[in-house]
Amino acid sequence: DAMVIQNPRYQVTQFGKPVTLSCSQTLNHNVMYWYQQKSSQAPKLLFHYYDKDFNNEADTPDNFQSRRPNTSFCFLDIRSPGLGDAAMYLCATSRDGTPRRYFGPGTRLTVT
Amino acid sequence: KNEVEQSPQNLTAQEGEFITINCSYSVGISALHWLQQHPGGGIVSLFMLSSGKKKHGRLIATINIQEKHSSLHITASHPRDSAVYICAVRMDSNYQLIWGAGTKLIIKP
Repeated sequence: DAMVIQNPRYQVTQFGKPVTLSCSQTLNHNVMYWYQQKSSQAPKLLFHYYDKDFNNEADTPDNFQSRRPNTSFCFLDIRSPGLGDAAMYLCATSRDGTPRRYFGPGTRLTVT
Repeated sequence: KNEVEQSPQNLTAQEGEFITINCSYSVGISALHWLQQHPGGGIVSLFMLSSGKKKHGRLIATINIQEKHSSLHITASHPRDSAVYICAVRMDSNYQLIWGAGTKLIIKP
């Protein structure tokens, strides 16, 4: 089945140790999104890719970077995780021109 | 005032009850999403609406564009329906989703 896959589902990293979260999709959607969701809060959009064009939200910290090497894959890099970066990270996709958004299962990041 | 308001914030009901969750919004939208999130889990898209009504199994979603209001109904509720239900709207002008605060639903056996 076509889907959005996130790996790993659970990630533990140490304070300050770089970590990369992965998202892949078989939907061939041209738009991919990364959200951060902290406990009991709504997801917060960090950035999105429209094809290869990277669109950063104004309040996304510089500590967060993203790469999209091809249509199928998108990575979230956290260069120096702090305790405040512990959260669920959600990847989503959509096709340009359609508002439907498809979410991955999320990666829960713990920072020790 | 938030642009997307959900009510109630918390809802506890007995198994079998008919459930209604409401969402009101104040911006122009191109679509409204109803999403489900289980504790510690990812988000599942239930419905995307731009007009009218949609039904999937025991779930029904309606939207009234003129009144800027949507409802999510669950018939014959079951404990496995316990989750947070989120309303999110996509604005006319950009890719942003504006999220409601969510409704935490608990269905007791």
